[in-house]
Amino acid sequence: GESVGLHLPTLSVQEGDNSIINCAYSNSASDYFIWYKQESGKGPQFIIDIRSNMDKRQGQRVTVLLNKTVKHLSLQIAATQPGDSAVYFCAEILYNTDKLIFGTGTRLQVFP
Amino acid sequence: DAGVIQSPRHEVTEMGQEVTLRCKPISGHNSLFWYRQTMMRGLELLIYFNNNVPIDDSGMPEDRFSAKMPNASFSTLKIQPSEPRDSAVYFCASSPPLQPQHFGDGTRLSIL
Repeated sequence: GESVGLHLPTLSVQEGDNSIINCAYSNSASDYFIWYKQESGKGPQFIIDIRSNMDKRQGQRVTVLLNKTVKHLSLQIAATQPGDSAVYFCAEILYNTDKLIFGTGTRLQVFP
Repeated sequence: DAGVIQSPRHEVTEMGQEVTLRCKPISGHNSLFWYRQTMMRGLELLIYFNNNVPIDDSGMPEDRFSAKMPNASFSTLKIQPSEPRDSAVYFCASSPPLQPQHFGDGTRLSIL
């Protein structure tokens, strides 16, 4: 299904290269951050999360970096594959709430 | 394990009609969320429940929208009367306390 606004930033990478998707969050009171992947016709799918007491967290082929000083979050995907093509959202959760605030998203296109 | 289940997957109806969207959260998750996704506004939180109790409905657009959670395994989002501007993809998500939300695959709603 449609995932994002009309002016969605797009990142195009070649298969096998590393991808870096960036996100600026808005609220300094946010203490929990999540990256989601959304494929066409599906709901957002959890990829990786990080709490504010950490700067880096690694998963399988993915790494999330958090810079609280400048309120910046990034998602690194190693050895990008065609199946990684999707829209990626960062989301922040305000301290002591369950409210997810989503960013506008970035479309990742992987070409052979 | 079954994920979040939403029904119907697609709904097309004429303006003025009542629309009811349904959600079955993941068993054991105590929080349930309703989101709306459009091209222009992205993903927006409409309302969320903790232990079947509505906690924050500040995202509900207007009185035409209502949501209920009669028990831990079922929630509805109702629009009455529906309008063309309500056309969107509506997602339900659920989560355990302080854990990432898991999304269903959404209901694509078209109001003619």
